[in-house]
Amino acid sequence: AQSVAQPEDQVNVAEGNPLTVKCTYSVSGNPYLFWYVQYPNRGLQFLLKYITGDNLVKGSYGFEAEFNKSQTSFHLKKPSALVSDSALYFCAVRDSGTGGFKTIFGAGTRLFVKA
Amino acid sequence: GAVVSQHPSRVICKSGTSVKIECRSLDFQATTMFWYRQFPKQSLMLMATSNEGSKATYEQGVEKDKFLINHASLTLSTLTVTSAHPEDSSFYICSARDWGREGIEQFFGPGTRLTVL
Repeated sequence: AQSVAQPEDQVNVAEGNPLTVKCTYSVSGNPYLFWYVQYPNRGLQFLLKYITGDNLVKGSYGFEAEFNKSQTSFHLKKPSALVSDSALYFCAVRDSGTGGFKTIFGAGTRLFVKA
Repeated sequence: GAVVSQHPSRVICKSGTSVKIECRSLDFQATTMFWYRQFPKQSLMLMATSNEGSKATYEQGVEKDKFLINHASLTLSTLTVTSAHPEDSSFYICSARDWGREGIEQFFGPGTRLTVL
């Protein structure tokens, strides 16, 4: 069965500093990996995805993520955090080996960027 | 990207009443839609997968008679919470897959906040 873990409930970072939000996954086949951001009382906004190809994926709002197959990780990064990046971030995985049907979400990591 | 809308965005109802939530794909055809619920400060939990023209597939532990799903067209799926109770209060989010983009993309609605008094 597929699963995804976000080991940190919360990440605090000062504005202008780099940020990392961690994600590890488990699938039987090849993974499709996603990052989404959620603002209060809003739905999910897509940030980026990894399907195949380059391990470093660039997405919206200056975010990027690196797919590491050996460590089964897909950490979200940004070189310089903004206060407006403060939100709830979800990592998600879909197992392409099972027909790629269900998307499973991690528990979420709340990011606080301090001015 | 493709747009998914939900209506209503917020609903408050009395215990025992039924509430219908609509999910529409505005600029693409969605043969598959997904319904999630999210409790405060928690992740999204998949409730059911809705396929156009056929019965929905429910996740384990989700009561299909309580959460009725209808996917009558390629752009509309509805979730009806029947005989709602306070414990059904939650944030319900729908998602639709755009098979025109090889089905990889999944787009989310803005969510519906249900409060049952």
